Amino acid sequence: AQSVTQLGSHVSVSEGALVLLRCNYSSSVPPYLFWYVQYPNQGLQLLLKYTSAATLVKGINGFEAEFKKSETSFHLTKPSAHMSDAAEYFCAVSTLGGKSTFGDGTTLTVKP
Amino acid sequence: GAVVSQHPSRVICKSGTSVKIECRSLDFQATTMFWYRQFPKQSLMLMATSNEGSKATYEQGVEKDKFLINHASLTLSTLTVTSAHPEDSSFYICSASDRGYGELFFGEGSRLTVL
Repeated sequence: AQSVTQLGSHVSVSEGALVLLRCNYSSSVPPYLFWYVQYPNQGLQLLLKYTSAATLVKGINGFEAEFKKSETSFHLTKPSAHMSDAAEYFCAVSTLGGKSTFGDGTTLTVKP
Repeated sequence: GAVVSQHPSRVICKSGTSVKIECRSLDFQATTMFWYRQFPKQSLMLMATSNEGSKATYEQGVEKDKFLINHASLTLSTLTVTSAHPEDSSFYICSASDRGYGELFFGEGSRLTVL
């Protein structure tokens, strides 16, 4: 069984500030972890993925995430927020050949 | 990355009619596709797993006769909402994977409004 918990359904930051979106997972086998972004009325776009290689993963648009097995976490960060980062973010976990399980999502608001 | 196309992006229909949504993998073969439903401000709810050449696997609570899924080829899966009612109004999203570890490529989504 696997599950994902995203802490904080809403996160608000000022433009230029650090973005931190939290994700904790539970999995009975080594997981594959993903962050997706969704803009209004659109599908989801992959930001980055962890597939058992490097624990610090860099993605698109300046985002990165670090896999911490001891903390069962995969938090998403970006050093400096941009207005265009405002969107819904989903953390997901899957296993080899299995289905993905999504978190409830975090709405990121960027204030000018 | 791989591209998944979904059509139509928006559809409005009258209550009692049926609506078909197509999901295509444009540059890879997808033996498995997934259909989700998303309510406003909520996460994705997996409806069913679509397997090429075989019957779809539905999640608990999803009506098979209401949501017909066909995966006739390695690049096309369709979701048909039969006898649609206003409560079926929602955002429907498909996804597909071309790798074994579950990286998903999503369609653009289809917003269904049933009047």
